[in-house]
Amino acid sequence: DIVMTQTPLSLSVTPGQPASISCKSSQSLLHSDGKTYLYWYLQKPGQSPQLLIYEVSSRFSGVPDRFSGSGSGTDFTLKISRVEAEDVGVYYCMQGIHLPPLFTFGPGTKVDIK
Amino acid sequence: EVQLVESGGGVVRPGGSLRLSCAASGFTFDDYGMSWVRQAPGKGLEWVSGINWNGGSTGYADSVKGRFTISRDNAKNSLYLQMNSLRAEDTALYHCARGYMDVWGKGTTVTVSS
Repeated sequence: DIVMTQTPLSLSVTPGQPASISCKSSQSLLHSDGKTYLYWYLQKPGQSPQLLIYEVSSRFSGVPDRFSGSGSGTDFTLKISRVEAEDVGVYYCMQGIHLPPLFTFGPGTKVDIK
Repeated sequence: EVQLVESGGGVVRPGGSLRLSCAASGFTFDDYGMSWVRQAPGKGLEWVSGINWNGGSTGYADSVKGRFTISRDNAKNSLYLQMNSLRAEDTALYHCARGYMDVWGKGTTVTVSS
């Protein structure tokens, strides 16, 4: 099974400053169909998770453009260009496909504001 | 409005069973694979089980394989999770999620305790 790791596990950021989270998979996430099924979610305090980025680098509808995703193979990064107070929460990377269904979340990175 | 509403959680003794339901609305249910994702108190997200659009393909996390069964009824726009042989470590908030988890329900709480 694919294991996902994230670094750092916690991050304290000054508003307006950038932030970066790394996600690594134990094996390549490049699928035979040419796509890479790597996703990023944010779980704000007391809320259900929300999708930020799909397939490595595509921003989901309504997600501010200060969020960006990049990477390939086994190494991926989520960047926030200028952190805002509303960005606090736990960020998770996830890999997986639906045929057959098998998904794995990373351990999460807790982001708070200095 | 696109919505997922979970129900069926509760308190159950170790070794007991529960059946969770997830009612979908606001979208064409059988266009999507679906998943159950849980979050133990104070812990991260754990994918539990998934099912493709017509129920022909299912998958499970190793931690629940052989004990949990996922199913769906597209005529009723509903997703289910039959949980048997429950253990204390199954205690969590259980969310259903659409497709590549772009829509999440608020969750239903399962507590396994004697």
